[in-house]
Amino acid sequence: EDQVTQSPEALRLQEGESSSLNCSYTVSGLRGLFWYRQDPGKGPEFLFTLYSAGEEKEKERLKATLTKKESFLHITAPKPEDSATYLCAVLHTGANSKLTFGKGITLSVRP
Amino acid sequence: NAGVMQNPRHLVRRRGQEARLRCSPMKGHSHVYWYRQLPEEGLKFMVYLQKENIIDESGMPKERFSAEFPKEGPSILRIQQVVRGDSAAYFCASSPVADTQYFGPGTRLTVL
Repeated sequence: EDQVTQSPEALRLQEGESSSLNCSYTVSGLRGLFWYRQDPGKGPEFLFTLYSAGEEKEKERLKATLTKKESFLHITAPKPEDSATYLCAVLHTGANSKLTFGKGITLSVRP
Repeated sequence: NAGVMQNPRHLVRRRGQEARLRCSPMKGHSHVYWYRQLPEEGLKFMVYLQKENIIDESGMPKERFSAEFPKEGPSILRIQQVVRGDSAAYFCASSPVADTQYFGPGTRLTVL
């Protein structure tokens, strides 16, 4: 069974203080790993898809990386508007297309 | 290009009533997925549909829950005889192929 573990559960940063969010996964065969951002009371907003170990993607202050066992979401010089819950999910190879999600990391950035 | 649309955004039902949740996928997307998010828990897969077909319903409770995606119109998630434990946020997602899924704003169901 696919498993996704995200750590830490919550993270408080000062504005400008860079950090990384971790997503560890166990999957029989990885088709893709996905990062989403979720604000309170809203649906998950797609950020990145990573397909193979060594792959990196960037968007503004965010960079996602992937190894064979984990993914990191690096946040450089965060701003208060980056405060949200960040979700990691995996899609395994095979006929079905269900995402298996971690519980998320709640990031709070203080001005 | 409008995103995934869900309605209603909030739904209140009394125990024993029926709840109908609607989802219109993004234009050009033929794959639809339903997920449930309970308080303090992650998103859990429920069902995956394509037009007029249920592809994977392995996450659906065996009783009271059903889903459809007809040839015309939105996808419907139906919960019969709701109980308090059904209170949750229900999210629909869509994709053009079986890959990156784009989520709607969710329907928050409260069972009194």
